[in-house]
Amino acid sequence: QQQVKQSPQSLIVQKGGISIINCAYENTAFDYFPWYQQFPGKGPALLIAIRPDVSEKKEGRFTISFNKSAKQFSLHIMDSQPGDSATYFCAEGNYGGSQGNLIFGKGTKLSVKP
Amino acid sequence: EAGVAQSPRYKIIEKRQSVAFWCNPISGHATLYWYQQILGQGPKLLIQFQNNGVVDDSQLPKDRFSAERLKGVDSTLKIQPAKLEDSAVYLCASSPRTSGLSTDTQYFGPGTRLTVL
Repeated sequence: QQQVKQSPQSLIVQKGGISIINCAYENTAFDYFPWYQQFPGKGPALLIAIRPDVSEKKEGRFTISFNKSAKQFSLHIMDSQPGDSATYFCAEGNYGGSQGNLIFGKGTKLSVKP
Repeated sequence: EAGVAQSPRYKIIEKRQSVAFWCNPISGHATLYWYQQILGQGPKLLIQFQNNGVVDDSQLPKDRFSAERLKGVDSTLKIQPAKLEDSAVYLCASSPRTSGLSTDTQYFGPGTRLTVL
């Protein structure tokens, strides 16, 4: 199966700092790149998503940067808070496709220290 | 709005036994997904339903896994017989999308944690 490669596997950030998580994809047929946030014992929840026709999307403290030529995208969490401590997954999918299923990365466990 | 409901939340069985998981999607959502999430990994799609029809089951181990979605609402996922490597969290998700429309947000349930001894 096609993979989206996610790094780092884990990340520790001080409160107020910037958290950065990176993903790389292979198949340029994918044109929908969401980020999901998962707390322990809960299912993943959509955080923010981007399509390749824009290079950046910002929602509050969360920003996706997209580099189409490098086939990479990243999540930036500004002013990180202890409540942001969770596992983050990037994914790839087909916007407008008939299936809509997502292929997920392996996840990044973020810990924000007070 | 009620979220995706799953039961049971936890299940412990011995290998070669059978097990079934139940999912009730968000009301009105046409599409239902079952994912397998092994510890330390991202969710992997097992099967996708559009109403009560199967859209994609290419990664479902059909020799032991089966799933159905009767009347296009609730769904059950069954494993028979279970293997040690089936230990994982089984996530159900739903989305309002219908075929041919743009990608909708997938809403996940809390999952069922299966331990196979």
